Parts: sequence; structure tokens; C-alpha cells
Amino acid sequence: RKEVEQDPGPFNVPEGATVAFNCTYSNSASQSFFWYRQDCRKEPKLLMSVYSSGNEDGRFTAQLNRASQYISLLIRDSKLSDSATYLCVVNPEYGGATNKLIFGTGTLLAVQP
Amino acid sequence: DGGITQSPKYLFRKEGQNVTLSCEQNLNHDAMYWYRQDPGQGLRLIYYSQIVNDFQKGDIAEGYSVSREKKESFPLTVTSAQKNPTAFYLCASKEWESTDTQYFGPGTRLTVL
Repeated sequence: RKEVEQDPGPFNVPEGATVAFNCTYSNSASQSFFWYRQDCRKEPKLLMSVYSSGNEDGRFTAQLNRASQYISLLIRDSKLSDSATYLCVVNPEYGGATNKLIFGTGTLLAVQP
Repeated sequence: DGGITQSPKYLFRKEGQNVTLSCEQNLNHDAMYWYRQDPGQGLRLIYYSQIVNDFQKGDIAEGYSVSREKKESFPLTVTSAQKNPTAFYLCASKEWESTDTQYFGPGTRLTVL
């Protein structure tokens, strides 16, 4: 089983739609979680951190379910500019000496006009 | 502007040659990281450094070498021993203890001819 698993997609959705991605992680001791956005041939950029029960930032909502070991990302009112790959990232130990993040392979979102 | 810079953006190398990828940051971050990204795979950690003059192997260090002589600089050398060096190389940095969020440079795309 991979340490972090994501559905690669693509998720093709019309503008204005609501879309949700899930990500599962295998290490139950994992402490912190992130969603990064990566545009084609560019570097990943932090979208949201998910530290406790979840958080919201505008149209984006991230949720953490420790019992089932998954995190989710919900995007409301999708824009064309939301088209990108969304990376689920897990830190097995908060503020640890190594901070070795574990990256999922990403979920591709394509928002259609 | 504060940030992380990587150079060159594109690099072509003949088999058997060593090449060095540059990574510089002016964020005053303590920790720096090198990852490679291949199609269909998550980012994989090559090397990381917590402080000047100290660095640790990541998950795929074979065929690579690094140095950390200055806080702002963490160059990566891809040696001829690296069997499959064609990839997208990403450098990241973070403050050491106050957060576990990593920030990425724009990347270097290395192609072996």
C-alpha cells in the first residue's frame, strides 16, 4: 500500500461546479497534512494546511478524518483557473528533525468552460 | 523579493557527464531539500540539510551529491552514476522549527541526451 494515495483523475468539471478529492494515508501517526497545487511544468505551491479538524479558505475547504485516515479537498464554484494538479502531502511527524514530507502523485482537475 | 531561485531552468546533459543544479534562497530558512519528480510519481526526496555544513540522504540519494557551505545555497550535483537522471528537480526550503511547511523553487528540468 502506498503511503499516500490519490485518485489521479482527470476530474473534468464545468465552471461553477463543486468538486471533491480524497486522499488516504497509511501512517496513523501522521501529524500534519497539506494540499499543494501544481500547474503544468511548474513548482508545487501551498494551497492549504490541514492541522486539526479541517479548515476553509474562500472556495476551498479541507477536511481531516483521522479515524479513517483520509483528508479531502472541496472546491466550490470552480473557475477555469482552478485547473491544475492537486497534491496531497503528509508529514509523519510534526516539526520533526527531518520533516520528510510524503507526496501523493496528485489529482488532475480540468475545469471546462 | 524573497524567494527561492533555481538555475538553469532547462539543462541538457550528455551521458557520463556530471552537472550541478543551483538552488538559492533569501528567506533565511534553515532547512533545504532536493526532490525529483517523474511523470506519474510523487515527489521523491534526494537530500536535505537542516543546518550549514550538514546534510542527510533522502530516499533516493544514489548518484547525487550536495553541499551546504552557506545557509542560502544548496547545490545538487547529478553524477554519471545516476542511472536515470532525466527528471524535474525541485528545491525547497523551510524555517526549521516554527513550521513544517516547505516552499518550492521553480525547478530545473534535466534531460540526458
